[in-house]
Amino acid sequence: EVQLLQSGGGLVQPGGSLRLSCAASGFTFSTYAMNWVRRAPGKGLEWVSSITGSGDSTYYADSVKGRFIISRDNSKNTLYLQMNSLRAEDTAVYYCAKDMYALGSYKMFDYWGQGTLVTVSS
Amino acid sequence: EIVLTQSPATLSLSPGERATLSCRASQSVSTFLVWYLQKPGQAPRLLIYDASNRATGIPARFSGSGSGTDFTLTISSLEPDDFAVYHCQQRSSWPLTFGQGTRLEIK
Repeated sequence: EVQLLQSGGGLVQPGGSLRLSCAASGFTFSTYAMNWVRRAPGKGLEWVSSITGSGDSTYYADSVKGRFIISRDNSKNTLYLQMNSLRAEDTAVYYCAKDMYALGSYKMFDYWGQGTLVTVSS
Repeated sequence: EIVLTQSPATLSLSPGERATLSCRASQSVSTFLVWYLQKPGQAPRLLIYDASNRATGIPARFSGSGSGTDFTLTISSLEPDDFAVYHCQQRSSWPLTFGQGTRLEIK
């Protein structure tokens, strides 16, 4: 059974940093691209970042480029999102999500983590 | 960036009725259009991929259609569990984008 278990998140001041983790099980983690998607209060979903299975390629939304870093440790089956220079507008529930097919970047998500709330406020 | 516009923002219907949700893209995405549903407090769930393909375990009352810039999600006969927020997403090009969502509520 595919499981994505998220940790991290919480309250942070503007300008602060936070790291989210997503521990994967039930599939061959290293062969799947992984993604982060967020949903701010009262808003729709927003794609944040993606990383290929090997970790060789990463992609970012303009809204987080230069501030967030996506990474993965395939030996630990874990995906990360390092969030720096946080702003109030980064307040959202963050989800990790698995790409639907292996060995590529198909950009559609068939399994999601439970979500973790990040609140940026003084 | 491809902008997706969903309509209506809110749809009020009764169980047993037919629901038609729209997603329009600012430029062609071919058939690389995905639908998710999200219930309060839950993660999104994949419904339809590549415009018309039901994901694993999705009932046949859900169907998707369209290509290019205009897409439709149809729920043939609403069940109580279907009332949720529906999101469309394009996977045609980076950056990936979502629509703002359609809230399907019980009338």
